[in-house]
Amino acid sequence: GEDVEQSLFLSVREGDSSVINCTYTDSSSTYLYWYKQEPGAGLQLLTYIFSNMDMKQDQRLTVLLNKKDKHLSLRIADTQTGDSAIYFCAESRRGKLIFGQGTELSVKP
Amino acid sequence: ETGVTQTPRHLVMGMTNKKSLKCEQHLGHNAMYWYKQSAKKPLELMFVYSLEERVENNSVPSRFSPECPNSSHLFLHLHTLQPEDSALYLCASSLTTGNNQPQHFGDGTRLSIL
Repeated sequence: GEDVEQSLFLSVREGDSSVINCTYTDSSSTYLYWYKQEPGAGLQLLTYIFSNMDMKQDQRLTVLLNKKDKHLSLRIADTQTGDSAIYFCAESRRGKLIFGQGTELSVKP
Repeated sequence: ETGVTQTPRHLVMGMTNKKSLKCEQHLGHNAMYWYKQSAKKPLELMFVYSLEERVENNSVPSRFSPECPNSSHLFLHLHTLQPEDSALYLCASSLTTGNNQPQHFGDGTRLSIL
């Protein structure tokens, strides 16, 4: 299909790791992105990965890319209540970003 | 982040009103975008401008009219809107329209049509 797919909800306890998953569709996508949206705000770019990489780490964030399965994941280590937000993955396709529906992460104390 | 600024943050208008949304970017980017974000739906790309030229128009109804007077400013003129147009309208910019250029978003205008 044409859609970028994500599960809609994820709930974790503070201090645990969160893993947000995404499947995309275009094997020729060169860049894949993760954005965070807090209530009442726009989308904040968290990180992105080039398609020739398998993994990228940036402080508490780890992105894993499985090109064969067109699967992207975002792992947040030591999840904090301030990480509660909606997380969007996006693939670049012919100069456009195609977004998933977003995963709402709820962090419980 | 103050790189992309949108005004107003909230707008309530009747179906017969005319209003405009404004976006300004201070990042030195050459591409600007309008998106519509509705509840429970993925972001919908509406318009793309590159160096003040419109390069994408995704079958958006004519009651939405974009304007890009220079590479730092983008407007969305609204007239005769429908209730289903109520949504969060997001502006974004990027250095170019290439795949390797991340887009930076403003905080959006929350639009409610009465």
